[in-house]
Amino acid sequence: EVQLVESGGGLIQPGGSLRLSCAASGFSLSHYWMNWVRQAPGKGLEWISNINSDSGARNYADSVRGRFTISRDNAKNSLYLQMNSLTDEDTAFYYCARSGHYTLDSWGQGTLVTVSS
Amino acid sequence: QSALTQPPSASGSPGQSVTISCTGTSSDVGAYNFVSWYQQHPGKAPKLMIIEVTKRPSGVPDRFSGSKSGNTASLTVSGLQAEDEADYYCSSYAGSDRLVFGGGTKVTVL
Repeated sequence: EVQLVESGGGLIQPGGSLRLSCAASGFSLSHYWMNWVRQAPGKGLEWISNINSDSGARNYADSVRGRFTISRDNAKNSLYLQMNSLTDEDTAFYYCARSGHYTLDSWGQGTLVTVSS
Repeated sequence: QSALTQPPSASGSPGQSVTISCTGTSSDVGAYNFVSWYQQHPGKAPKLMIIEVTKRPSGVPDRFSGSKSGNTASLTVSGLQAEDEADYYCSSYAGSDRLVFGGGTKVTVL
């Protein structure tokens, strides 16, 4: 069974940094593009980043480019999101999701990041 | 990249059908047959319901169907059931290995 488990969320002050992790099981991470998607409380989904299987390609939404960095460790079956210069607009549930054919076919349960002083 | 446009809400009685629209541009929905639909119940992760405009992943009831015309894609839920009450999001491939989501539609079963 495919499982994705996010961790690393929490309360952080504006301007701070946080690193999210996503542990994958039930499949080999090395075969898939992976994504981060966020959802502000009560709001819609926002795709924010993805990374190809060998980390040779990384893409970001305009809202996070230059502040967030996606990475992966295929040996550990793990995906990461380093988030810097956080603002209250970054407050959201952060989901990792596996890419299917131009879709997101498996999702984790999400981890909540709250940016507040 | 602007979000795709969905109506904020839709509703129907049990057994009826409801259709949700998802309007993009000639750079996303209109350019690719890579529209997906996701169902999200409160407090839960999104679940993939439709891929590539019309295809249902294994396990998704055939009450769910998708279509597209020009820059607008649609999801139809036929034979509405209580468990179909949820938020629904469309997404489209937008080129350059990026995805864009719609704003979401809350479906209420009356």
